[in-house]
Amino acid sequence: DTAVSQTPKYLVTQMGNDKSIKCEQNLGHDTMYWYKQDSKKFLKIMFSYNNKELIINETVPNRFSPKSPDKAHLNLHINSLELGDSAVYFCASSQDLRNEQFFGPGTRLTVL
Amino acid sequence: AQSVTQLDSHVSVSEGTPVLLRCNYSSSYSPSLFWYVQHPNKGLQLLLKYTSAATLVKGINGFEAEFKKSETSFHLTKPSAHMSDAAEYFCVVSELGDYKLSFGAGTTVTVRA
Repeated sequence: DTAVSQTPKYLVTQMGNDKSIKCEQNLGHDTMYWYKQDSKKFLKIMFSYNNKELIINETVPNRFSPKSPDKAHLNLHINSLELGDSAVYFCASSQDLRNEQFFGPGTRLTVL
Repeated sequence: AQSVTQLDSHVSVSEGTPVLLRCNYSSSYSPSLFWYVQHPNKGLQLLLKYTSAATLVKGINGFEAEFKKSETSFHLTKPSAHMSDAAEYFCVVSELGDYKLSFGAGTTVTVRA
């Protein structure tokens, strides 16, 4: 029944590793997003996909690569993890670009 | 481009007293405005939204917000705070023709018994 789900909920890894976070929505929405929330709770958009096409790509290191296999999924792959990547990553979806967004529970990434 | 300023980083209220969270926005075109709440270790939940209909918007859990174009404000209020209202609150704006939401820095609400 979860509208927007993310896995894993917690991710602890070493510097230099590659990791992925998965996101799925069952709301039938056309648009999905990835956000990064830092330790001061500031939320910053990273990417947005609309109908599987990338439409927002903020200033994010190219170590971060989103992949959308279909409209219901938007995964985030991170290469060569760095200490500064430690944060909570939120996936969200919306019917279109102007409507409210529905957020997943977040993935807390800790890079050691 | 749009932006949001939440005027208070932290608000502390006693249970049963009113809550006021202040938000000012800047937008070149007709904005949509939202308030989201984030409880500890949880995702964000929509409280209410304004999309050019009634200027007084009612949301969930007794919250409401008033859109004031002349003051470029969208303040969030609740007449009587409950302990469960302790959370982080985000004011958000999106603009016609733009593809993203702009989040305020957040206001932390604590509720004293």
